[in-house]
Amino acid sequence: QSALTQPASVSGSPGQSITISCTGTSSDVGGFNYVSWYQQHPGKAPKLMIYDVSNRPSGVSNRFSGSKSGNTASLTISGLQAEDEADYYCSSYTSSSVPWVFGGGTKLTVL
Amino acid sequence: QITLKESGPTLVKPTQTLTLTCTFSGFSLRTNGVGVGWVRQPPGKALEWLALIYWDDDKRYSPSLKSRVTITKDTSKNQVVLTMTDMDPVDTATYYCARRLVLNYYMDVWGNGTTVTVSS
Repeated sequence: QSALTQPASVSGSPGQSITISCTGTSSDVGGFNYVSWYQQHPGKAPKLMIYDVSNRPSGVSNRFSGSKSGNTASLTISGLQAEDEADYYCSSYTSSSVPWVFGGGTKLTVL
Repeated sequence: QITLKESGPTLVKPTQTLTLTCTFSGFSLRTNGVGVGWVRQPPGKALEWLALIYWDDDKRYSPSLKSRVTITKDTSKNQVVLTMTDMDPVDTATYYCARRLVLNYYMDVWGNGTTVTVSS
């Protein structure tokens, strides 16, 4: 099962907005509204930031938002803060024999 | 507070069997709709789903690893155990356990992971 495609890295200055893309196929991202996003700081557990394309779990800042168009999902972080510097992974439910497929991860650098 | 913690050997030799334990708190695998799964991440590579076990002992496995992986639970100890046979250097990775609620299409709480190196 191929991973979803994410950019290896993105960067932005404090206060700016950035968007991370996640491209899959009609068998995963495009076929279901079950895309989730995880934040992972070095040596820490992945933390769920977005589920079902655009929903935020309780406690997650509204600076984080998600969307989807066709086979590509996106995570947008507005008002960048230093604490947002981390790796971000997308994931999608899939109609294949495995329930989830993950992206390769994107390293966000806050300049 | 819901927590999960992985434990097991940090180094295994090729062909050996790996046994990892996920000890969790804040929820129970006796509760309808609860599942615990394993995901791994080789250095610099993507996350890969491995296996999942549900409250009713339903088990799901990654087809690519199904012949080598077994997942079991001990509800009295709040533990889930992953066994992987015939370890190879390509299995070197950080192994995570995480919770899934059956009505959700995501893993909502993850452990910090445990790093396993396969080397002679």
